[in-house]
Amino acid sequence: AQRVTQPEKLLSVFKGAPVELKCNYSYSGSPELFWYVQYSRQRLQLLLRHISRESIKGFTADLNKGETSFHLKKPFAQEEDSAMYYCALKAGGNKLVFGAGTILRVKS
Amino acid sequence: EAGVAQSPRYKIIEKRQSVAFWCNPISGHATLYWYQQILGQGPKLLIQFQNNGVVDDSQLPKDRFSAERLKGVDSTLKIQPAKLEDSAVYLCASSQIQGSNYGYTFGSGTRLTVV
Repeated sequence: AQRVTQPEKLLSVFKGAPVELKCNYSYSGSPELFWYVQYSRQRLQLLLRHISRESIKGFTADLNKGETSFHLKKPFAQEEDSAMYYCALKAGGNKLVFGAGTILRVKS
Repeated sequence: EAGVAQSPRYKIIEKRQSVAFWCNPISGHATLYWYQQILGQGPKLLIQFQNNGVVDDSQLPKDRFSAERLKGVDSTLKIQPAKLEDSAVYLCASSQIQGSNYGYTFGSGTRLTVV
């Protein structure tokens, strides 16, 4: 079964603190993972893809096949990072399976 | 590049009524998706089109939901008759080619409230 689990509904941190949004997946094939972000009153947009190993807005995510995880990290949170974050797994046929999302709230 | 366009933005209907949503994907994007996002949950795929053919509609409640993509461009999603549990945001997304390593581009969504 294809499943994405984001265990935290809400993560609240202070500005400047490190951030880690957790994502675990279940998939029998070779996984492709993504992080999507939705800022207030904006549409869902791609943040980063594991395959590109890129850093976007200071965020990085490493695919750990042993732990079946794809946690999103940022060393120093900024207020503008406050948003809803979704982890997604590309399953067969280019279908994306999403987790339930984590609200990140960065406090000043 | 113009984004994925959806309309209407909001819709309120009574249960057992019908409703239709429209989506215009990014020009040249062959693959189009409709997702349902219920409050507090992540988006769930309803149907996927490749050009004007259906690739995956395994999670589409076919007794009440239907979708088409005539001419492989615009798409409409219809619900008839609506139930209270259909209240959700309906997202349309498109991507360049099936199997692409790139993510989708999403529209702003249509928020449906069934009362």
